[in-house]
Amino acid sequence: QKEVEQDPGPLSVPEGAIVSLNCTYSNSAFQYFMWYRQYSRKGPELLMYTYSSGNKEDGRFTAQVDKSSKYISLFIRDSQPSDSATYLCAMSLMTTDSWGKLQFGAGTQVVVTP
Amino acid sequence: GAVVSQHPSWVICKSGTSVKIECRSLDFQATTMFWYRQFPKQSLMLMATSNEGSKATYEQGVEKDKFLINHASLTLSTLTVTSAHPEDSSFYICSASGNRGADTQYFGPGTRLTVL
Repeated sequence: QKEVEQDPGPLSVPEGAIVSLNCTYSNSAFQYFMWYRQYSRKGPELLMYTYSSGNKEDGRFTAQVDKSSKYISLFIRDSQPSDSATYLCAMSLMTTDSWGKLQFGAGTQVVVTP
Repeated sequence: GAVVSQHPSWVICKSGTSVKIECRSLDFQATTMFWYRQFPKQSLMLMATSNEGSKATYEQGVEKDKFLINHASLTLSTLTVTSAHPEDSSFYICSASGNRGADTQYFGPGTRLTVL
């Protein structure tokens, strides 16, 4: 079983709809949670990061962490065709031995249709 | 924002040759750089972690003699794929972390390596 599970999609939504993405994880020791966006043949771009349970909002993006359920989500409001990309969740233990070692989900491909 | 560059963006080489990929943090000092590889439609797999001025730490299964990493300064790390073979063809991505916050990594645009 992978430590981080993420549905690979593709997830197709019409322009203007809310995109809902999620990841589940098995290691309750994960402390730091991130979402990255990756366009085809490009490196990942950091969208959001959070250390704690709850919601964090940044523009059209909302990241949600539920440590008790070991579940994180990313919501994209008012989706645009330019949001079409692969979205990767990542998390870290933040211990001395594992500092900087991110566990990535498989990535969800999102397609926003005009 | 934090900018990380990679050079070259793509490279094609013959089997048996060595290829060097550079990773630079352009607007911050990167105390730690990471090297990943990504196969098509798969997620990123960490290959190694390098701290400026010290030897890189390789993940299990990654041959350190094949993938040479040098982190000579706070803004530059290099990955050299020695005696490359077709199975080394992949997308290599670096990331850098520094004074922008613990564990926050900023990724380069990636280097597409094709070994013929």
